[in-house]
Amino acid sequence: GAGVSQSPRYKVTKRGQDVALRCDPISGHVSLYWYRQALGQGPEFLTYFNYEAQQDKSGLPNDRFSAERPEGSISTLTIQRTEQRDSAMYRCASSRGTGAFYEQYFGPGTRLTVT
Amino acid sequence: LAKTTQPISMDSYEGQEVNITCSHNNIATNDYITWYQQFPSQGPRFIIQGYKTKVTNEVASLFIPADRKSSTLSLPRVSLSDTAVYYCLVGDSRYPGNQFYFGTGTSLTVIP
Repeated sequence: GAGVSQSPRYKVTKRGQDVALRCDPISGHVSLYWYRQALGQGPEFLTYFNYEAQQDKSGLPNDRFSAERPEGSISTLTIQRTEQRDSAMYRCASSRGTGAFYEQYFGPGTRLTVT
Repeated sequence: LAKTTQPISMDSYEGQEVNITCSHNNIATNDYITWYQQFPSQGPRFIIQGYKTKVTNEVASLFIPADRKSSTLSLPRVSLSDTAVYYCLVGDSRYPGNQFYFGTGTSLTVIP
């Protein structure tokens, strides 16, 4: 079956612009996660959802970052007034349930470059 | 939250068995140990998970001693395609907790 998909795969934007990154999880997966990954580092947790409810957003760096999953399926991570330090790979993952027992399936990521 | 400590990097020759050890001294009763593999330009991929003793699948084995304060991922007869970063995660089976903490992982390089 189809895996986790993300779009766009690459995004170049000018500083100060808003960007929206999309994640389409595996069908039927309850939980959806957003991570940010810098070169040479492991994925850094941003936020996660169970169905449409945002359960934890403690990893969002500041209030320019927000995420939603209105119908419990597709999710959008929005970054307002982008800054150069926001440049990174943004990864989405989904799982059948929440908790360490459930394997996370990762998408290919969106490479964001802020110029 | 149970923190994990892994070696930053390891080298191995093709055909050898590789063992990567992860320390998690503060592991809690309900915590599971999970390992992910990440190839360059790809997202992490689940390899194996365990709670205690030994778990084996078609890719790897996971050894967990009785005190569960460490775990060892064993990759039999590695090939060049096993060159990747390996992450050890510890998290509660019921709640997300620190299952989200990937750390920097162990970068394994397999040499011809």
